Amino acid sequence: DTGVSQNPRHKITKRGQNVTFRCDPISEHNRLYWYRQTLGQGPEFLTYFQNEAQLEKSRLLSDRFSAERPKGSFSTLEIQRTEQGDSAMYLCASSRTGGATDTQYFGPGTRLTVL
Amino acid sequence: TQLLEQSPQFLSIQEGENLTVYCNSSSVFSSLQWYRQEPGEGPVLLVTVVTGGEVKKLKRLTFQFGDARKDSSLHITAAQTGDTGLYLCAGYGNKLVFGAGTILRVKS
Repeated sequence: DTGVSQNPRHKITKRGQNVTFRCDPISEHNRLYWYRQTLGQGPEFLTYFQNEAQLEKSRLLSDRFSAERPKGSFSTLEIQRTEQGDSAMYLCASSRTGGATDTQYFGPGTRLTVL
Repeated sequence: TQLLEQSPQFLSIQEGENLTVYCNSSSVFSSLQWYRQEPGEGPVLLVTVVTGGEVKKLKRLTFQFGDARKDSSLHITAAQTGDTGLYLCAGYGNKLVFGAGTILRVKS
């Protein structure tokens, strides 16, 4: 169990550019979640996958955001035409099955700065 | 929309003092979780409480779930500098909803 890993850890980009983040969950975890966290706030849910199926997307996830988990293992989160308001920490988490008592294990996050 | 309010937002205390952090909502949750997050890292789960009135202890940390499963508290006894960090509560309805967090600073 090597934990959830995220790459890159930091990304600085100019407004209007596209960025892509990667998340590698704990192996054998069926669920994968993406959250966004801004300074002074707790993580906000963006979307989650059960295996390769994307089951729910938050209203926070505008059409500039897309997430994939093509083989039910790693996931990518792409932001097109970045805006300064997209600057935040993007967190990925994985869990075995989901549910009220399931434990979500978080990665270290990707900090995005849009100039 | 389920909202969780945490208080206080910031707490600065001396080593050895006791403290309590509160997490309140008008919504009922299936479970409530407490996390600790350090700068530049993701949150780490401390505890999950499920039953109304449930009390769980983790060394010097005591967690309580309200009888109506709408609120929770975290009490730390004899705080240590290593307790410094951001404490987040999160309620599970059909997904995790996080509070804004309490920044705890323990001074030596």
